Amino acid sequence: AQSVSQHNHHVILSEAASLELGCNYSYGGTVNLFWYVQYPGQHLQLLLKYFSGDPLVKGIKGFEAEFIKSKFSFNLRKPSVQWSDTAEYFCAVSVTGANNLFFGTGTRLTVIP
Amino acid sequence: ETGVTQSPTHLIKTRGQQVTLRCSSQSGHNTVSWYQQALGQGPQFIFQYYREEENGRGNFPPRFSGLQFPNYSSELNVNALELDDSALYLCASSLGGQPLLYEQYFGPGTRLTVT
Repeated sequence: AQSVSQHNHHVILSEAASLELGCNYSYGGTVNLFWYVQYPGQHLQLLLKYFSGDPLVKGIKGFEAEFIKSKFSFNLRKPSVQWSDTAEYFCAVSVTGANNLFFGTGTRLTVIP
Repeated sequence: ETGVTQSPTHLIKTRGQQVTLRCSSQSGHNTVSWYQQALGQGPQFIFQYYREEENGRGNFPPRFSGLQFPNYSSELNVNALELDDSALYLCASSLGGQPLLYEQYFGPGTRLTVT
């Protein structure tokens, strides 16, 4: 069965610090990878997704993620965080052709001004 | 705001009771997926409805059932409530079934507490 691991439960950074959130998945087949974000009091929304091609994917608000197939990883990065990036971040996996997402447990990011 | 609405926002039920949660999808979307998010966990897929038919189901018992109506709104029904059913229930609407092809737009969720 597919599983998604996010090892960082809570990350605290100062503004302008660089961010990297880890995501590892377990599945041997072809997968599609997603990062979702939930800002305080708001709906879950898509940050970026990967399905093929360039393993470095750029999303909204300056976020990017790199797919490393050999490591089964899809880490989220941002070179310089802002206070407004404070949110919960979820990594998710979908098997090609399937109609559902498998989510990780989430990482809470707190950015201190 | 995504245009996906859910009702009620919160409710409290007693173990053994039944509950119905509702979701109105974004205009033009024909697919609704339901997820359960327990405290401290990520959302878990319950099932999906596409054009009024169930289109995939996660690892949830049959007491979790659903409906989709001709206007593509949807209901999630849970019978014989258990304490572990306490969670945030999310619905997501999309233009089709596959998350890769069709972005899922999530609603704000219904917080269910079972006592």
